[in-house]
Amino acid sequence: DTGVSQDPRHKITKRGQNVTFRCDPISEHNRLYWYRQTLGQGPEFLTYFQNEAQLEKSRLLSDRFSAERPKGSFSTLEIQRTEQGDSAMYLCASSLGPGVAFFGQGTRLTVV
Amino acid sequence: AQKITQTQPGMFVQEKEAVTLDCTYDTSDQSYGLFWYKQPSSGEMIFLIYQGSYDEQNATEGRYSLNFQKARKSANLVISASQLGDSAMYFCAMREEGAQKLVFGQGTRLTINP
Repeated sequence: DTGVSQDPRHKITKRGQNVTFRCDPISEHNRLYWYRQTLGQGPEFLTYFQNEAQLEKSRLLSDRFSAERPKGSFSTLEIQRTEQGDSAMYLCASSLGPGVAFFGQGTRLTVV
Repeated sequence: AQKITQTQPGMFVQEKEAVTLDCTYDTSDQSYGLFWYKQPSSGEMIFLIYQGSYDEQNATEGRYSLNFQKARKSANLVISASQLGDSAMYFCAMREEGAQKLVFGQGTRLTINP
């Protein structure tokens, strides 16, 4: 499978714990995006990487959130001290330049 | 500011009928792209079709076509000969030129009845 891969698919965590999600983009894609989708809403942009550089961050990305793409390939999104409001689907997408963004299957986070 | 509006929370259609999903957008840019994605219950966002603001012809991809009316700022998705597997959430999205992010609407849940 050469599409965007996200791991894990589901994560249940207790409030206050840290969680980390991984995204493996399509191999030749230099751009990588993270979005968050809450129930009944469309995805909302969180952050964007071009190669290893994080070039844009949404105001939604509070200081408890951090994203990295250390070698310009896979990316991680970490949430520290999770809150119930962090419960959502976290979607990763990648594109070749400004082309169409292709999405992964998402990581569904539940904070209890 | 960019905004996408999808006014149909849910649509119910008989199998084999055509269906139109509405999307209007707001932007002050002259150059932008419009996208439609399908999201089945599995969660993955599946790209369906793209229309550039300067494209003179409506985009088509198999059973999907985009009815682009620039003056009205609408980009409706038309699915012909609907199938049971078309049942899913459908999202309209826009990206302005030079911007990296997609801005999504709230989606329309399409249900195809046998």
